Amino acid sequence: DTEVTQTPKHLVMGMTNKKSLKCEQHMGHRAMYWYKQKAKKPPELMFVYSYEKLSINESVPSRFSPECPNSSLLNLHLHALQPEDSALYLCASSHLFPREQGMTGELFFGEGSRLTVL
Amino acid sequence: AQKITQTQPGMFVQEKEAVTLDCTYDTSDPSYGLFWYKQPSSGEMIFLIYQGSYDQQNATEGRYSLNFQKARKSANLVISASQLGDSAMYFCAPDGETSGSRLTFGEGTQLTVNP
Repeated sequence: DTEVTQTPKHLVMGMTNKKSLKCEQHMGHRAMYWYKQKAKKPPELMFVYSYEKLSINESVPSRFSPECPNSSLLNLHLHALQPEDSALYLCASSHLFPREQGMTGELFFGEGSRLTVL
Repeated sequence: AQKITQTQPGMFVQEKEAVTLDCTYDTSDPSYGLFWYKQPSSGEMIFLIYQGSYDQQNATEGRYSLNFQKARKSANLVISASQLGDSAMYFCAPDGETSGSRLTFGEGTQLTVNP
């Protein structure tokens, strides 16, 4: 079982809806990530949080609003999305970069939330 | 920016045979690492193996091993004794000082294991 839990697994929403994706990890990681993945493409980085502070925003439209309430939780608030935003949204966590010697520093991913925007 | 190339969109292998998935990268970082991830149809990205650029030996992890050729900037994944459950997308991703926390994945290789 994955140690990163994402809810919901599936979400269908209209363009005027407001919804949120949630992610939780209890591995003590201080870096958390949101990735977006379209079909048959690699995951693309959206946001990175380090010590609960937003450290990287890859020029993501403001209709996606991330939030990190504490070191274990990561949310992605969705508002006024477009049909082209339909994708698999993956949350991940890891130890911070640069990493201590001997630490691999891999990202641990959740199973994703599959979003459909009508 | 780092560039990652996976030249095989799709690969087929017979069960119990070995298969090599290619990955080349372009980085100017003096110290970096290479990750390989597996993504089955369920969607979860599963970490398989890691190679540090200063590691003296090729990384191995069970049936997974890396053919790391630093001079050629390639880190090919070798899966031995393929199993049906190995059918999945496989992504390589380098990290280093330049990219930091920005882990960027190659386009991936879809591996199909035939019975």
